Formats: sequence, C-alpha cells, structure tokens
Amino acid sequence: DTGVSQDPRHKITKRGQNVTFRCDPISEHNRLYWYRQTLGQGPEFLTYFQNEAQLEKSRLLSDRFSAERPKGSFSTLEIQRTEQGDSAMYLCASRSTGVGGELFFGEGSRLTVL
Amino acid sequence: AQRVTQPEKLLSVFKGAPVELKCNYSYSGSPELFWYVQYSRQRLQLLLRHISRESIKGFTADLNKGETSFHLKKPFAQEEDSAMYYCALGRDGATNKLIFGTGTLLAVQP
Repeated sequence: DTGVSQDPRHKITKRGQNVTFRCDPISEHNRLYWYRQTLGQGPEFLTYFQNEAQLEKSRLLSDRFSAERPKGSFSTLEIQRTEQGDSAMYLCASRSTGVGGELFFGEGSRLTVL
Repeated sequence: AQRVTQPEKLLSVFKGAPVELKCNYSYSGSPELFWYVQYSRQRLQLLLRHISRESIKGFTADLNKGETSFHLKKPFAQEEDSAMYYCALGRDGATNKLIFGTGTLLAVQP
C-alpha cells in the first residue's frame, strides 16, 4: 500500500503523559497536513507543511502541540501533558503542489486520554 | 468567517430513491468545493470536486454561488452508497487547507 500511513493507529494514555504520532505521506507529495476529528464533527485543520517548512498553524494548536517534518518526508505530531480534551482521531493527509490537488488521507491515529 | 454547514446528521432513504445531501458554505472569496466520503472502516477519500464538473459513482454536485450551496445528488441510491459524506471548502485556488462540514451519514435501506 503506497498511501498515507500513520502510526500508531490507537494510543491510550493517562492524563499528563506525552504522546507522539507519526505520518508517512505519499512519497512524491510535498504538502502534508494534520487534522483532528472529534466525535460528531468533521476534520478540523491543525497545521500544514510544504516540504520541511511549517507554513500554517491553527489556533486549535496550543503550546502543548508541536509538529515537525525535519527532512520534508515523514512528520511527527507530539502532544505534551495530554488532557482528556485531547482525545480524538488525528488525521494526516498529503497532496502534491498545484491548484485543486486532491488530499489523500491516512487512516488516522486514535488517541484516548484517561 | 469561512464555514461549511451540513444541516442533516443522518439521511435515510430506500434503495432506488433519489438522494440529496445538502451543503452550504460561507466565504467571501472564490471558493473551491469538494465532497469527501468515508465508507465503513475505510479512510476519508475524495468523491468529487466542483472544478471537475464530473459524475462519480452516479453522484453530481453543482456549485451555486448565488445560494452559496454545493448539494450532492444522485438519482437512484444504492446500498453501497451508505457512508459518511463531508462537504469541504478550499480557498481561492490555493487549497492550503480545507474546512470541513460536520458530515451527513447516508443510510440506504434495502
């Protein structure tokens, strides 16, 4: 499968712990996006990268969240000092540069904070 | 503010019946509109985009700038159409990010 892959698929953690999610985009895609989806809601934009540059961050992304894409390939999303409100599905998507390019989504990483 | 509204959380129809999933948007610029679909236990995937003006799996959607709508339609629903459908808004030809609606669950009964 050469689609977007995310790891881990599920993560259960205790409040206050740190968690990290990894996303491997489609190899030729230089744009990478992180979204968060909670129950009953559509995906909400968190941040996006063009190559290794983080070009936009949502106000949803508090100081406890940090995302990196160090070599312009895979990306990590770290949440420090998790809170119960962080429980959600974290979706990664990638696309190539250009107008109207299709977003390809991964299967998501589900976080449960106890 | 940019916003996408999908007023129906659930739409239940019988096989063979017409389907219309509603989507309204709020955006002052030139919008790009998309429909994404998520089948059970599958990832979110693009169904169609307004700039393509194409029909995918029998679905069509027309952008109505006057009514700021992008409703998804299919004349005869099939059971395999049962899925979660999300309308999404991009900006001005530079879809740096998409704004999604809350989604509509389409349930096609046999």
